[in-house]
Amino acid sequence: DTEVTQTPKHLVMGMTNKKSLKCEQHMGHRAMYWYKQKAKKPPELMFVYSYEKLSINESVPSRFSPECPNSSLLNLHLHALQPEDSALYLCASSQDNSLGGQREQFFGPGTRLTVL
Amino acid sequence: KQEVTQIPAALSVPEGENLVLNCSFTDSAIYNLQWFRQDPGKGLTSLLLIQSSQREQTSGRLNASLDKSSGRSTLYIAASQPGDSATYLCAVRGGSNYQLIWGAGTKLIIKP
Repeated sequence: DTEVTQTPKHLVMGMTNKKSLKCEQHMGHRAMYWYKQKAKKPPELMFVYSYEKLSINESVPSRFSPECPNSSLLNLHLHALQPEDSALYLCASSQDNSLGGQREQFFGPGTRLTVL
Repeated sequence: KQEVTQIPAALSVPEGENLVLNCSFTDSAIYNLQWFRQDPGKGLTSLLLIQSSQREQTSGRLNASLDKSSGRSTLYIAASQPGDSATYLCAVRGGSNYQLIWGAGTKLIIKP
């Protein structure tokens, strides 16, 4: 099973709302990632969790707050977003984030976020 | 700084043709290179992963090659089908934090 699942598929929120995106994988992967993708652009890395610890934060604004409750789950908490944050948010996982080995990344279907 | 380029940005070919998509990178110090497919509004599907020590990988009608010394990879698609229509992205693992560095993608249209 090489599946990464994400919920919800679509989300519309106002600038004062608080919402969360969820990601789950059952491949035993110990690295999980959040990406943001704008239309016709490649994904931009936001956060990397390695063994449930935040290892990379690509200078993402604090209105985005990641959480890794366990090795299978990854959340992205959203608060006070701006309209320019509207994008496709993708979750990915890999065996781990070390330099050796395959480290193939598997992506979920994404959450289409619209901020009004 | 590693930069990844994909040319052409868009490609339209008749069904049945064999085709090649190109990916070039500026720094040969990479750990691996991954090819992805993305359908409109959808997530990314991993097609092939080539380790830095490998020259090529094959999966079905797809064959990806890697030439680190020249900073190039190609994705060969044999006997193209309308279902192959999608955007194809390549990404190299390297850089200052060993994460994926992406090309802008090639939008492929296969005409029936």
